[in-house]
Amino acid sequence: AQSVTQLGSHVSVSEGALVLLRCNYSSSVPPYLFWYVQYPNQGLQLLLKYTTGATLVKGINGFEAEFKKSETSFHLTKPSAHMSDAAEYFCAVSRTGTASKLTFGTGTRLQVTL
Amino acid sequence: EAGVAQSPRYKIIEKRQSVAFWCNPISGHATLYWYQQILGQGPKLLIQFQNNGVVDDSQLPKDRFSAERLKGVDSTLKIQPAKLEDSAVYLCASTRNRGGNQETQYFGPGTRLLVL
Repeated sequence: AQSVTQLGSHVSVSEGALVLLRCNYSSSVPPYLFWYVQYPNQGLQLLLKYTTGATLVKGINGFEAEFKKSETSFHLTKPSAHMSDAAEYFCAVSRTGTASKLTFGTGTRLQVTL
Repeated sequence: EAGVAQSPRYKIIEKRQSVAFWCNPISGHATLYWYQQILGQGPKLLIQFQNNGVVDDSQLPKDRFSAERLKGVDSTLKIQPAKLEDSAVYLCASTRNRGGNQETQYFGPGTRLLVL
């Protein structure tokens, strides 16, 4: 079975500061990894995904994440936070070789302050 | 291209009542998912359809929850009777093809259910 752990249910950064949201996964087979963002009263929107190939993945809105197999991590970063980045962020994993079934982490709420 | 549509957006019911949620996926999307998102948790898959057939309903509480996707397009999720612990946001998502694990799932805005 696969799972993801998101460290820190709440993260607060100043506008312009680095954003770092942590995600560690557990999977017995090579995983596919995803980051989704959820704005208030909206559904989830895909930020980026890792399937195969390059381990540094670039997504929308200036976000990127790096797949590190040795650390079983897939942390999400953005060099400079913007007020509009305030939202809930979910890391998710799916298992290769089977029909798509996403297992989500518990989420990290990002607060951006002036 | 229109996104995933869900209705109603909000619903308040009393325990032991029944409730139904509706989802219309993106046009042409073969695979449809229903998720339950309890406050403070990530979404949990309840059921996955491919066209009008069920692919995975292993986490659906079948004693009270049911879902159907007649004609392989829109879908209905029903709870009967509802319990307090069913209070959650119910999210619908869809993917274009077979729901392969590289595919992006597109989510609707969700239905927020409060059971009193």
